[in-house]
Amino acid sequence: EIVLTQSPATLSLSPGERATLSCRASQSVSSYLAWYQQKPGQAPRLLIYDASNRATGIPARFSGSGSGTDFTLTISSLEPEDFAVYYCQQRSNWPVTFGQGTRLEIK
Amino acid sequence: EVQLVESGGGLVKPGGSLRLSCAASGFMFSSYSMNWVRQAPGKGLEWVSSISGSSNYIYYADSVRGRFTISRDNAKNSLYLQMNSLRAEDTAVYYCARVRAARLGLDAFDIWGQGTMVTVSS
Repeated sequence: EIVLTQSPATLSLSPGERATLSCRASQSVSSYLAWYQQKPGQAPRLLIYDASNRATGIPARFSGSGSGTDFTLTISSLEPEDFAVYYCQQRSNWPVTFGQGTRLEIK
Repeated sequence: EVQLVESGGGLVKPGGSLRLSCAASGFMFSSYSMNWVRQAPGKGLEWVSSISGSSNYIYYADSVRGRFTISRDNAKNSLYLQMNSLRAEDTAVYYCARVRAARLGLDAFDIWGQGTMVTVSS
């Protein structure tokens, strides 16, 4: 099973700042990595698929990069609605696995 | 509108059974692999099971294999999860989720239902 480790566990920033979230895989997942945003009481929302492709309707301030084992989700300028929990997910091998999440909170 | 709506959750005793349903609308259901993902209270996301569009390929997480059964009825645009021998650690919100690209088995999940809560407790 591929283990995804996200860092940091919690990130405290202010609106307008840049956020950088990391996801590291225990073995190469090529570019088969996705990012999700989840707000309290809501289902996850797909942000990025295949490492760097924005999903439909996702604002351009969200970007993804990386390949192999190291990946980054960047939010260029935080909006109030961006404060949430973010998960990475690999689709390289079964079983599908998720990272443990990064909580992005308002400083 | 593309939509997934889960139902069937509730309170069940340890060792009991429950069947979850997910009604799909707004897309060609039979062309997409579907998944169940769960989230225990205050915890992260855990993939549970996947089924291909034609039901030819089925996969389970080790934590549920032998106890849970995924199935689908393309004529009814519905996905199911039969859960037997339930344990306290199965307590979670269960989401159904569609893969992003038709005819792909392994893919990101682009459409999610609102979730249904399953509580296993005596």
